[in-house]
Amino acid sequence: KAGVTQTPRYLIKTRGQQVTLSCSPISGHRSVSWYQQTPGQGLQFLFEYFSETQRNKGNFPGRFSGRQFSNSRSEMNVSTLELGDSALYLCASSLERQGLVGEQFFGPGTRLTVL
Amino acid sequence: SQKIEQNSEALNIQEGKTATLTCNYTNYSPAYLQWYRQDPGRGPVFLLLIRENEKEKRKERLKVTFDTTLKQSLFHITASQPADSATYLCALELNDYKLSFGAGTTVTVRA
Repeated sequence: KAGVTQTPRYLIKTRGQQVTLSCSPISGHRSVSWYQQTPGQGLQFLFEYFSETQRNKGNFPGRFSGRQFSNSRSEMNVSTLELGDSALYLCASSLERQGLVGEQFFGPGTRLTVL
Repeated sequence: SQKIEQNSEALNIQEGKTATLTCNYTNYSPAYLQWYRQDPGRGPVFLLLIRENEKEKRKERLKVTFDTTLKQSLFHITASQPADSATYLCALELNDYKLSFGAGTTVTVRA
């Protein structure tokens, strides 16, 4: 079974631009979560989607948004980029069980650099 | 406020010894506690999940304990090998569809 794929793997943007990152979950996984990872803050939860519905959102400004499509693929968007948005953005998918996301399968991440 | 603390940023051990990592949490009542391994430049890889009503879980050379009274999990790597060198992350899941991660402990196993 193919793993979680994320595109692009690397991205360089300048302040003020916007960016869209894409994630394809493992086939059959309907829960998709996004995380931001930085050296200073570690892994921070951004949002979780299931069946095209956002079920939880982390403590990030409204510039961070996401969506999930009917085939479970997901995208996240960051508008008006700031230097502090430079990070590794990780997508993870899972089989939901009993209302919990459970073990998550992570993609390789998208390394975003904002200049 | 809610907090997850992993015992130390780095742990250096000799090959063949047991590495013990600690994850302490406050102001959480997690349904699950999970451990992940992360290598540089890669996404985390799931290792073990332990439920709130379980005391211990094992998988090959890995063992996890979960003490909800102490609000602590211990993660053991027995007979450690240089290939076990990585950052290990603990994560809590409440009934809210998200994982909250600790900062991680970087383990280096010397040959």
